[in-house]
Amino acid sequence: QKEVEQNSGPLSVPEGAIASLNCTYSDRGSQSFFWYRQYSGKSPELIMSIYSNGDKEDGRFTAQLNKASQYVSLLIRDSQPSDSATYLCAVMTGNQFYFGTGTSLTVIP
Amino acid sequence: ETGVTQSPTHLIKTRGQQVTLRCSSQSGHNTVSWYQQALGQGPQFIFQYYREEENGRGNFPPRFSGLQFPNYSSELNVNALELDDSALYLCASSSTYRLGGYTFGSGTRLTVV
Repeated sequence: QKEVEQNSGPLSVPEGAIASLNCTYSDRGSQSFFWYRQYSGKSPELIMSIYSNGDKEDGRFTAQLNKASQYVSLLIRDSQPSDSATYLCAVMTGNQFYFGTGTSLTVIP
Repeated sequence: ETGVTQSPTHLIKTRGQQVTLRCSSQSGHNTVSWYQQALGQGPQFIFQYYREEENGRGNFPPRFSGLQFPNYSSELNVNALELDDSALYLCASSSTYRLGGYTFGSGTRLTVV
């Protein structure tokens, strides 16, 4: 079982819609959770970090964490074509940092 | 502009050779980690250094080794290169390793032929 699992997609949403990205992790001891955005040929860019159960909002982005279900999600409201990228879920467990394989998102104008 | 810089940007090596990749951390960051990203995959954690000591390692063989210097810059060394080592190598730094939230450099594209 992989440490972090994501649907690879591709996920397509129309411009202005809500994009929902999901991630599950295997280690209940994981303490820190992150969403990164990676454009093709570029390095990952940190979008959100979340450490406790519940929702965390930053502009158009909302991260949700449910430790009981070992589930992390990212909602992107009012999706824009510039949001088209691969979104990586990352989990920190002890001194280990695990990434999922990423979900490819395409926002259609 | 990212505060983490990596060199070189591209590199071609022959199987069996050794390679050293370099990384300068963002100012004020004392933690650096290295990742290998194969095409179409997420980054795989190689190891992490905090204040010049390795304090975390992923599932990579000993021929992958590293150093962190007093100025918090870092090196990744790979010995006895194999074809499967061809990948994008990413360096990332953070000021609070227990919380993560790393800033990534633009990476070094290594091709082993």
